[in-house]
Amino acid sequence: GQQVMQIPQYQHVQEGEDFTTYCNSSTTLSNIQWYKQRPGGHPVFLIQLVKSGEVKKQKRLTFQFGEAKKNSSLHITATQTTDVGTYFCAGYDYKLSFGAGTTVTVRA
Amino acid sequence: GAVVSQHPSWVICKSGTSVKIECRSLDFQATTMFWYRQFPKQSLMLMATSNEGSKATYEQGVEKDKFLINHASLTLSTLTVTSAHPEDSSFYICSARGASGRADTQYFGPGTRLTVL
Repeated sequence: GQQVMQIPQYQHVQEGEDFTTYCNSSTTLSNIQWYKQRPGGHPVFLIQLVKSGEVKKQKRLTFQFGEAKKNSSLHITATQTTDVGTYFCAGYDYKLSFGAGTTVTVRA
Repeated sequence: GAVVSQHPSWVICKSGTSVKIECRSLDFQATTMFWYRQFPKQSLMLMATSNEGSKATYEQGVEKDKFLINHASLTLSTLTVTSAHPEDSSFYICSARGASGRADTQYFGPGTRLTVL
């Protein structure tokens, strides 16, 4: 069945630094979605990528969908304390399958 | 935007009792609703998919007699955890997909945190 793998599981970042989280699917995806879950909260939709090679930006967040539509990445620049939380990718191929998430902590 | 609510937001119950969780689409008709479970520090795992008016489709390993799902209307789906045990303690999240929406677009509820003593 469809599997979505996400690395790293944990990312401890110095405030102001950049980091990237990566997502890989075992199958070709129709689209990939990214969610953010703050501690104690529920996943909140960030963005959806549909086209091969698509790149979308939301302020300091850059999302990329691979050419083969099997991998994706989220790059955050100049990390802030408000970026703390767990970022999930979710691949859609007839159903939505979530990656394990990358939990981000920030040291000031 | 589409809003999905869940009730209750948290519940504590004794082992052996049953707990019902409601998922409502507030401003759209949800032909399909999904139920996920999230254990601490883990990802969301799809438990079942329910279509209005028909039986739910359960993912492998999910006991349908233990997790009863009812999707009787286009705005309401319920998940009943029967004879709950401490290992059922988890964060249960529903999502909904509209009749006119894209098949890949789901709107998530805020989740229900269940603690079984």
